[in-house]
Formats: sequence, C-alpha cells, structure tokens
Amino acid sequence: AQSVSQHNHHVILSEAASLELGCNYSYGGTVNLFWYVQYPGQHLQLLLKYFSGDPLVKGIKGFEAEFIKSKFSFNLRKPSVQWSDTAEYFCASIGGYQKVTFGTGTKLQVIP
Amino acid sequence: DAMVIQNPRYQVTQFGKPVTLSCSQTLNHNVMYWYQQKSSQAPKLLFHYYDKDFNNEADTPDNFQSRRPNTSFCFLDIRSPGLGDAAMYLCATSFDHGTRPYNEQFFGPGTRLTVL
Repeated sequence: AQSVSQHNHHVILSEAASLELGCNYSYGGTVNLFWYVQYPGQHLQLLLKYFSGDPLVKGIKGFEAEFIKSKFSFNLRKPSVQWSDTAEYFCASIGGYQKVTFGTGTKLQVIP
Repeated sequence: DAMVIQNPRYQVTQFGKPVTLSCSQTLNHNVMYWYQQKSSQAPKLLFHYYDKDFNNEADTPDNFQSRRPNTSFCFLDIRSPGLGDAAMYLCATSFDHGTRPYNEQFFGPGTRLTVL
C-alpha cells in the first residue's frame, strides 16, 4: 500500500529564512507526487507536481521540490520565506486506480 | 471561472439526523472525490467516482454514502451522523484521460459539519 509521510509537523521560521519540508513516499510502482498548500481559511491549492523527467520541479510563488528516487523523497524548498507563506503544506501521491494519499501536513508559521 | 463549489459552507445537524452535502463543478472533470478532514489531520479519502463508477475506500463507514447524478454534481449523504463525524468535508475533482500521469486535483472550499 502506498503511504506518504511528512517529518515536520510544525515549523516556525523568520522572514527571509530558507525552508525545506520533508516528504517521503512508499509505493512500488510509478508515483505522481504533489505538494498542496492550504492558507488559513482557504481551500487546498496545488503548489507543484512531479510526474517524470527533470527531478527538480518549479512551482508557484517561488517554491520548488526535488524528487530523489533513491531516497523516496520529494522535499519542498523555498530559498526565502515570506509572512504570506504561513499556511499548512501537504504532500500527496496518486498511485494506481486513482488512489490518493496525503501526508499529515506541516504547519508553517513565518514570523515577520 | 471554472471551479469546484460546495454547499453549504457550514452545516449544523443533530446527532442521528441525516444530512446531505453537495458539490458541483464547472471543470467538466470525470473524477470526483470526497474527503473528510479533521482538525490538524490530513484529508482522508472517503470515496471517489470515476465517471459513474463508484469507488469506496475500504475503511469508509457504511454511514457515508454518495451519489453522482451527472458529471457536474456529487452528493455526500451521512445517514446517521455521530459526534465523531464532525469535520470539514472536501470535494475535489480531476481529469483522468486514462493513462499516466495522473492529473492534480482541484478542491472546493469545503463544508464544515457540526454535529450537536
């Protein structure tokens, strides 16, 4: 069965600090990986996605993620966070038969 | 703008009183999903429709049912809500063209269900 795990449950950063949120997946077949963001009071939105090809994926708002197959990881990064990045971030995978699995989420709080 | 709409945004019901949540989409997507999300937890997939084909998750209680009368609409019926069913219910859609890669999901704003 596929699973997605996020290591950090709550991260607090100052503005301009660099961000890296961990995501590991386990699935024997081909996976499609996603990062979603949920701003306070808003619905889940797609940040970026990985299907194949270049393992470094660029998303919206300056986010990127790197797929490392050997480590089963798909970590989210941003060089310099802003207060407006305060949100909850979810890693997710879609495997066979449209099976969708979300990680438990990471709450990011950015302090001005 | 094409979007996923959920009504109502807030629903209050009494213990054991049936409730129906609705979702509509203007994206013409063939797959629709229902998730349950409790506070500080990941969205939990309840079931999804691939066109008219219903796919139930193994651990979804029988208390939860769904209907999809047409491409645009999908309903979540909770037959006898318990206190433990209080949560945010999310509807999502995606377009599956039948081969990999799988496309991302588009989420509605959710319906927050309170059970008294």
